[in-house]
Amino acid sequence: GNSVTQMEGPVTLSEEAFLTINCTYTATGYPSLFWYVQYPGEGLQLLLKATKADDKGSNKGFEATYRKETTSFHLEKGSVQVSDSAVYFCALTTSNNAGNMLTFGGGTRLMVKP
Amino acid sequence: ETGVTQSPTHLIKTRGQQVTLRCSSQSGHNTVSWYQQALGQGPQFIFQYYREEENGRGNFPPRFSGLQFPNYSSELNVNALELDDSALYLCASGSGTSDYNEQFFGPGTRLTVL
Repeated sequence: GNSVTQMEGPVTLSEEAFLTINCTYTATGYPSLFWYVQYPGEGLQLLLKATKADDKGSNKGFEATYRKETTSFHLEKGSVQVSDSAVYFCALTTSNNAGNMLTFGGGTRLMVKP
Repeated sequence: ETGVTQSPTHLIKTRGQQVTLRCSSQSGHNTVSWYQQALGQGPQFIFQYYREEENGRGNFPPRFSGLQFPNYSSELNVNALELDDSALYLCASGSGTSDYNEQFFGPGTRLTVL
């Protein structure tokens, strides 16, 4: 089956620090990979995605590269802001799923201090 | 274009009761998926509906059931509530069942079972 493993949080950083959140996966079939963000009291928002190996997804200064050889999709940002404080979820879906169900990791809480 | 909306925002029930949660999909979308997010965990797929038919189901018992209506709004019904059903329930709508089709999440309904 499919599974996603993320580094456990919370991750606490100072403003303008470099961020890495690790994500690895196992999948039957060829997955598409996603990062979602959840701000306090809100639902999930798609942050970025990559649908094939070596693709780089990017949005709002965040980046992640689909690494098939290491089955990884690590999230990075060069300079975090206080407004980036949220919970980040790595997720995947595969074309052989019934529908396009998303399999999520457990989430990583990021706290950015001024 | 309106986003995905869910009602109610919060709900408190007692063990053994039944509950119905509602979701209004984003305009033009024909799939709706439901996820359960326990506190501090990633969302877990419950099921997906596509054009009013169930199109995939996760590892949830039959007391979790759903409906999708011709206007693509949806309901999640849970019978014989258990304490472990306490969670945030998220619905997500999309314009197809391919893994390329982005899913848009609502803000969720927080269910507490006492």
